[in-house]
Amino acid sequence: ELKVEQNPLFLSMQEGKNYTIYCNYSTTSDRLYWYRQDPGKSLESLFVLLSNGAVKQEGRLMASLDTKARLSTLHITAAVHDLSATYFCAVLPNAGGTSYGKLTFGQGTILTVHP
Amino acid sequence: DTAVSQTPKYLVTQMGNDKSIKCEQNLGHDTMYWYKQDSKKFLKIMFSYNNKELIINETVPNRFSPKSPDKAHLNLHINSLELGDSAVYFCASSPERGGRPIQYFGAGTRLSVL
Repeated sequence: ELKVEQNPLFLSMQEGKNYTIYCNYSTTSDRLYWYRQDPGKSLESLFVLLSNGAVKQEGRLMASLDTKARLSTLHITAAVHDLSATYFCAVLPNAGGTSYGKLTFGQGTILTVHP
Repeated sequence: DTAVSQTPKYLVTQMGNDKSIKCEQNLGHDTMYWYKQDSKKFLKIMFSYNNKELIINETVPNRFSPKSPDKAHLNLHINSLELGDSAVYFCASSPERGGRPIQYFGAGTRLSVL
């Protein structure tokens, strides 16, 4: 069974600081997703990483994928309060196209950015 | 225009009741999903339909029954509700079966069973 683990699960950051959230997964995959969830809201797609070495950046967030290490990172640069949310990574296993979008989610990282 | 819409947004009910949650997507997607998010925010897939055909059926109690009248709709009916069913239920849709799907989520239905 595919397992996806994030760490840390809770992250309290000061504005202006940098930090990285890690996502490890247990089976072969070249399809990894990062989502953001604000309290009481839906999940918003942030990044889709589809190959080894993929790097995507949007504003203060940068995501990367290392399929050999089965690791993705979400790096936060110069955090601002608006980034406070829960961040999920999610993985689709390689299964010859038979995964049918069966995303397995990590536990989520609750990020709080304070002055 | 809301891409994936769920109703109701909140549902408070007594144990033993039967309830339904509706989901509609206007994205033209072929595949739709139901997820459950528990109180610890853990998200787990329950069901998936592709063009009205059930393709993912995780280990959930058979009190939960999804129904897809057409590919734009996926409803979730729950019989004999239990306290442990309290959670947020998210509907999602994606444009492809397998391949490189990005799943788009609805706003969620917060179910509270008393």
